[in-house]
Amino acid sequence: DIQMTQSPSSVSASVGDRVTITCRASQDINSWLAWYQQKPGKAPKLLIYAASSLQSGVPSRFSGSGSGTDFTLTISSLQPEDFATYYCQQANIFPITFGQGTRLEIK
Amino acid sequence: EVQLLESGGGLVQPGGSLRLSCAASGFTFSTYAMSWVRQAPGKGLEWVSTISGSGGTTYSADSVKGRFTISRDNSKNTLYLQMSSLRAEDTAIYYCAKTFNRKADYWGQGTLVTVSS
Repeated sequence: DIQMTQSPSSVSASVGDRVTITCRASQDINSWLAWYQQKPGKAPKLLIYAASSLQSGVPSRFSGSGSGTDFTLTISSLQPEDFATYYCQQANIFPITFGQGTRLEIK
Repeated sequence: EVQLLESGGGLVQPGGSLRLSCAASGFTFSTYAMSWVRQAPGKGLEWVSTISGSGGTTYSADSVKGRFTISRDNSKNTLYLQMSSLRAEDTAIYYCAKTFNRKADYWGQGTLVTVSS
């Protein structure tokens, strides 16, 4: 199975900050990577697919990059509604696997 | 508007069975693969199972293989997860998700399954 490792596990930041979250795959997954946002008590929401494609309706302050084994999710200017947990997910092969999550907290 | 509504969760004893349902609307159901993803209390996301649009191909995590069966009824726009031999570690919120190219682009609100005596 492909293991997905996110870093950091948690991060504190302020409104307006630029934040980057990293996801590493245990083997090459090309660009088959998605990012999700989950707020407490809610279902996850797809933000980015194919490593860098923005899902319809997602604000442009979210961006993704990378290919192969190393990927990043960047939020260019944090807004109050962005404080949540973020997960990466490899979509290259079954079994589908997720990273352990990165909790983004208010500083 | 895509809508996914799960039902069927509840409290079940270890070793018991439960069937989850997910009613879909707002898209051509038979065209898309569907998945179940679960989340244990306070934990991360775990993919459970995926079924193709026709229902002819399924994939399941090793942790549920042989115990859980994913199926669908395209005439009813409904996805199912039949769960048997349930264990305490199966306790989780179970989400159904519309799946395209192995990414979950729409999710239901989830249904809680609690396995406890």
